[in-house]
Amino acid sequence: QSVLTQPPSVSGAPGQRVTISCTGSNSNIGAGYDVHWYQQFPGTAPKLLIYANNNRPSGVPDRFSGSTSGTSASLAITGLQAEDEAEYYCQSHDSRLNTYVFGTGTKVTVL
Amino acid sequence: QVQLQESGPGLVKPSQTLSLTCTVSGGSLNNGGYRWSWIRQSPGRGLEWIGYIYFSEPPYYSPSVKGRVTMSLDSSRNQFYLQLSSVSAADTAVYYCARNGELVGSGYYFDKWGQGFLVTVSS
Repeated sequence: QSVLTQPPSVSGAPGQRVTISCTGSNSNIGAGYDVHWYQQFPGTAPKLLIYANNNRPSGVPDRFSGSTSGTSASLAITGLQAEDEAEYYCQSHDSRLNTYVFGTGTKVTVL
Repeated sequence: QVQLQESGPGLVKPSQTLSLTCTVSGGSLNNGGYRWSWIRQSPGRGLEWIGYIYFSEPPYYSPSVKGRVTMSLDSSRNQFYLQLSSVSAADTAVYYCARNGELVGSGYYFDKWGQGFLVTVSS
């Protein structure tokens, strides 16, 4: 059972803005541990999309942005494109479980 | 450009030991102060971090597998290893090796991943 909960799916039309929530608790996001986001296409490894809450690695478009508030985090995709259709995961550290934890994953569909 | 590649047996019998190798190319295991992780993914358990290793400190394992897991590295071969003992069907998963990114805040992220390797536990 993951301690970081995400909606199973979100969808949007090309050009729209979508957000993916990642709900944690006071032992992970709420404790101040950084949140990171990954994008995964079927049959491939996850790819780092956002690190330390709101930083993009080189090569990641600025259409992707992250934020945190309290015990939750969000990933926003603006100007949605067909190539953004993928699974997205959040990740943080949990001090109660003493381990790194991933979210349940969200499938983004471009209508 | 650092690249990682997993290898090992794709089929392991229940109660036996799963052994995987991650070969790192384009960079040295000993340079840069990076930690090196194993992560697995299965439909039932999602993405699950297993542990990481660093050449100058003891490995750090997830409590979910502690007692069954051993990680090691061989800097001369630029490889690191995963052993998971007493496996069951629940350990069937795609196993990834990954590099922990530079620590900029609190808690590591994983900035380089291998392509993944499916291990099936079955008799």
